[in-house]
Amino acid sequence: NAGVTQTPKFQVLKTGQSMTLQCAQDMNHNSMYWYRQDPGMGLRLIYYSASEGTTDKGEVPNGYNVSRLNKREFSLRLESAAPSQTSVYFCASSPRSGPNTQYFGPGTRLTVL
Amino acid sequence: GENVEQHPSTLSVQEGDSAVIKCTYSDSASNYFPWYKQELGKRPQLIIDIRSNVGEKKDQRIAVTLNKTAKHFSLHITETQPEDSAVYFCAAKGGNEKLTFGTGTRLTIIP
Repeated sequence: NAGVTQTPKFQVLKTGQSMTLQCAQDMNHNSMYWYRQDPGMGLRLIYYSASEGTTDKGEVPNGYNVSRLNKREFSLRLESAAPSQTSVYFCASSPRSGPNTQYFGPGTRLTVL
Repeated sequence: GENVEQHPSTLSVQEGDSAVIKCTYSDSASNYFPWYKQELGKRPQLIIDIRSNVGEKKDQRIAVTLNKTAKHFSLHITETQPEDSAVYFCAAKGGNEKLTFGTGTRLTIIP
């Protein structure tokens, strides 16, 4: 099992460019999440998908959109990147919503110039 | 929504001593409290978790305690080793089903 995988590992964008971060899990998990991690601020939830076909906003959803493509894949899109979106992005999955362990991907380091 | 506060932000201890990291939460409906360890440049990894129907849980040198009345929980690492050096995050899953993280504690073990 690869667990949770993310692509790309690194990305540099110019302000206004768009891109999609990809996430996939092979653990047959129902729930998937996108977080951003900034220095001194821990991990903040951007969007999550409790099950296939559903998505919901987290703490910091502005400037992002998501797609739960199927049970395995959950993508995060930046339509018009801004320097404030420079961050490390982590995808995570858990068997289902509720008190369950979340497993994290390796992260994508994004820089917006 | 849930608010999680974590202290201290940095902690240095001598190898072999114990380390304690404390967190408080605000949502009385929170029922799941995991702790993650993150090494530099790596992903967060779960090291221990506790559910709200349990007051304490131990796994070798790591233990977590939960006080639901006071709404706080703590991570205890005994007999610390150099490989324990990392950033540790607490988190709480509230009634809205979302996991809220603390801001992290950078633990340094001094050989």
